[in-house]
Amino acid sequence: EAGVAQSPRYKIIEKRQSVAFWCNPISGHATLYWYQQILGQGPKLLIQFQNNGVVDDSQLPKDRFSAERLKGVDSTLKIQPAKLEDSAVYLCASSPMTAVNEKLFFGSGTQLSVL
Amino acid sequence: QQPVQSPQAVILREGEDAVINCSSSKALYSVHWYRQKHGEAPVFLMILLKGGEQKGHDKISASFNEKKQQSSLYLTASQLSYSGTYFCGTDNNAGGTSYGKLTFGQGTILTVHP
Repeated sequence: EAGVAQSPRYKIIEKRQSVAFWCNPISGHATLYWYQQILGQGPKLLIQFQNNGVVDDSQLPKDRFSAERLKGVDSTLKIQPAKLEDSAVYLCASSPMTAVNEKLFFGSGTQLSVL
Repeated sequence: QQPVQSPQAVILREGEDAVINCSSSKALYSVHWYRQKHGEAPVFLMILLKGGEQKGHDKISASFNEKKQQSSLYLTASQLSYSGTYFCGTDNNAGGTSYGKLTFGQGTILTVHP
């Protein structure tokens, strides 16, 4: 079965520029997550979608970050404008959520460097 | 509240054993364990639900002590392929109905040498 696809794999931008990341979850997975992983730290949840609705975005810096999930499938995460502290790996994960405590399937991530 | 993992790093020789601990300051309802190799996606290892359950996967097993609010991951007879960063993800949802909202620890770097 195909895994979670993310693009681009790497992105280098200057501060105050904007950037967008794309995620295609495993087919049929209802729940999609965006995590931010700063070097040397564990992943931190930014936003969680159930189908095309937002379940939790309490840790998303809404003044600069936005995310949407198109038709309950693909998702994009945008940062505008980017700050130096946004440098991190952005991981997308999906889960079928057919039962309690389903495991997460992660993509390989997008490594963002803000200069 | 982020769970605390210990130790931060472990260096082993092939065949040696290791234990990685994950402690939470809040009540735990489930604990997930993932392994991440450099530049790759985190890969699921196992989920433990409250009830003191212990699970095993090949030579990797884990326990969950609900009373102590902690989980431990046991790696026995380590192999080179075990090298990577291990993360615990905790579900502190009071309702016990996890929807994947995990809080991850800072990670434990495991290095296995020949």
